[in-house]
Amino acid sequence: GEDVEQSLFLSVREGDSSVINCTYTDSSSTYLYWYKQEPGAGLQLLTYIFSNMDMKQDQRLTVLLNKKDKHLSLRIADTQTGDSAIYFCAERNQAGTALIFGKGTTLSVSS
Amino acid sequence: EAGVAQSPRYKIIEKRQSVAFWCNPISGHATLYWYQQILGQGPKLLIQFQNNGVVDDSQLPKDRFSAERLKGVDSTLKIQPAKLEDSAVYLCASSPGLLAGKSSYEQYFGPGTRLTVT
Repeated sequence: GEDVEQSLFLSVREGDSSVINCTYTDSSSTYLYWYKQEPGAGLQLLTYIFSNMDMKQDQRLTVLLNKKDKHLSLRIADTQTGDSAIYFCAERNQAGTALIFGKGTTLSVSS
Repeated sequence: EAGVAQSPRYKIIEKRQSVAFWCNPISGHATLYWYQQILGQGPKLLIQFQNNGVVDDSQLPKDRFSAERLKGVDSTLKIQPAKLEDSAVYLCASSPGLLAGKSSYEQYFGPGTRLTVT
């Protein structure tokens, strides 16, 4: 079956790096995603990675994919208070259409 | 470019009542999704449309939920009758569509409708 697991909470200090981890079960997943959700808002697409890549970097964001272990991580460099939000990892479902989401990781950034 | 629009933003109803939500996707996006997000969980797909046809409604509780996208643009999701466990945020998302190449894998979400059933 399809399942995505994430740790629920992460607390960091402003300026530090944050690493949010995710594991998924469907080895046939082609794309894996990171979304950000701020209170009362919808989900904002941060980045995504194709399964034939190991790493993708986009400004302060670095995505690492270990396909063998089915492990995905999101690193945020120089974390700011505005990065405080819930971060969702998602994989595409077996039909290749909709997304299967984890429960989200709440990132708290203190100054 | 305008984002995905949803209305209303909030709705409070009593159990056994009916409710409808509306979504207008990003212009030109062929694929439209409705997700249900229960507090503390990630969004779960309810139904997916490609233009005005249903691609996947396997997770939609069809005894009480219905959705339509008659002209292939905006969409409505209805619950009739509502139950307490339907309290959630209902998110609409859209993507360019299966023929749009790599960008078809990008889903853009609206702000959601928060439903409270009492």
